[in-house]
Amino acid sequence: QVQLQESGPGLVKPSQTLSLTCTVSGGSISSAGFYWSWIRQHPGKGLEWIGYIYHSGSTYYNPSLKSRITISGDTSKNQFSLKLNSVTAADTAVYYCARIIDGTAAVGLWGQGTLVTVSS
Amino acid sequence: QSALTQPPSASGSPGQSVTISCTGTSSDVGAYNLVSWYQQHPGKAPKFVIYEVSKRPSGVPDRFSGSKSGNTASLTVSGLQAEDEADYYCCSYAGGNTLVFGGGTKLTVL
Repeated sequence: QVQLQESGPGLVKPSQTLSLTCTVSGGSISSAGFYWSWIRQHPGKGLEWIGYIYHSGSTYYNPSLKSRITISGDTSKNQFSLKLNSVTAADTAVYYCARIIDGTAAVGLWGQGTLVTVSS
Repeated sequence: QSALTQPPSASGSPGQSVTISCTGTSSDVGAYNLVSWYQQHPGKAPKFVIYEVSKRPSGVPDRFSGSKSGNTASLTVSGLQAEDEADYYCCSYAGGNTLVFGGGTKLTVL
């Protein structure tokens, strides 16, 4: 079955760029029918949608984060990535990569999540 | 784009039913039948239990049900079991290819 796995540094310094990659196994990010998404959860808090990329390469971002985010896909590696620049302590969170079912807005599959701490 | 409003906590005894509300606006919950609900146990990734307001994914017990009225969606868990104790989040399509989550509700099985 399809599985998602996040990878990237667990510690990022303030003002630097947070970079995470999600490796998809058991399925292709090029397949129609899904959006590939990033969602985060601040410690002890709720979920926040960050953005997603469609199989066509189109990207859509949370308006509150849009100026700092880039989501991209690499079909040759079957991966998609998140870059969040100018990070502060407020960006400390567990970051999940996820798959959204087209037409339903439902997050049908989640990675295990990775904690990213922003600290000097 | 503001987070959807959920009660911070809910509780019920084993075998009882509990309903969790999720209030949005006419731009998100009220505008689309694209509300989903997620169950999250401590230290685990969320798992979807309801999508498109009232549909259950394969494998989710029929004790979980969803509904919507106006700008408020609801998740009902019937026949509460100990394993249902978890955090629950709602999520809605909010137009313009954006999503918005609720703040989450901690469900305690007494």
